[in-house]
Amino acid sequence: DTGVSQDPRHKITKRGQNVTFRCDPISEHNRLYWYRQTLGQGPEFLTYFQNEAQLEKSRLLSDRFSAERPKGSFSTLEIQRTEQGDSAMYLCASKAGLADPRSYNEQFFGPGTRLTVL
Amino acid sequence: AQSVTQPDIHITVSEGASLELRCNYSYGATPYLFWYVQSPGQGLQLLLKYFSGDTLVQGIKGFEAEFKRSQSSFNLRKPSVHWSDAAEYFCAVGETGGFKTIFGAGTRLFVKA
Repeated sequence: DTGVSQDPRHKITKRGQNVTFRCDPISEHNRLYWYRQTLGQGPEFLTYFQNEAQLEKSRLLSDRFSAERPKGSFSTLEIQRTEQGDSAMYLCASKAGLADPRSYNEQFFGPGTRLTVL
Repeated sequence: AQSVTQPDIHITVSEGASLELRCNYSYGATPYLFWYVQSPGQGLQLLLKYFSGDTLVQGIKGFEAEFKRSQSSFNLRKPSVHWSDAAEYFCAVGETGGFKTIFGAGTRLFVKA
């Protein structure tokens, strides 16, 4: 499978615990995005990486959230001291850079990680 | 600021009937426009996209969409709906030269036999 993969697919945790999600993008894609999707809403942008550099962060990304992409390949999203309001689907997407104009601004999404905070 | 409005939270159509899902956007420049479909437990799949040129774009699974600049709309259509089309549909606008894609709240499509 050469698509975007995410792990785990489901995570149930208790309030106050830390959780970490992983995203493996399509191998030749240098751009990686994290989104959050709550019930009845479309995905909301959280953060964006170009290679290993985190170039943009949404105001939705509080200081309890941190994302990394240490070698410009896979990425992790960590939530510290989880709150019930963090319950959502966390989506990862990747896309090729400007070198491939046919794919410009077309993102490929992973299946998501569904987080439930009790 | 950019925004996307999908006026219909849910729509029910009979199998074999035609479908139109509405999308209105707010964006200062010429937008990149997308329609995605999301089935339960699945990630988002791109149906079609508009960057420039012909305002009527064809996508996968028999879908098409028409860009109307004067109405700031990008409605999705399908002439004959199949039961397998039941899903959530999202319209989105991408920043020209930027990073973000802004999604609408989605329209859930129900298909009745």
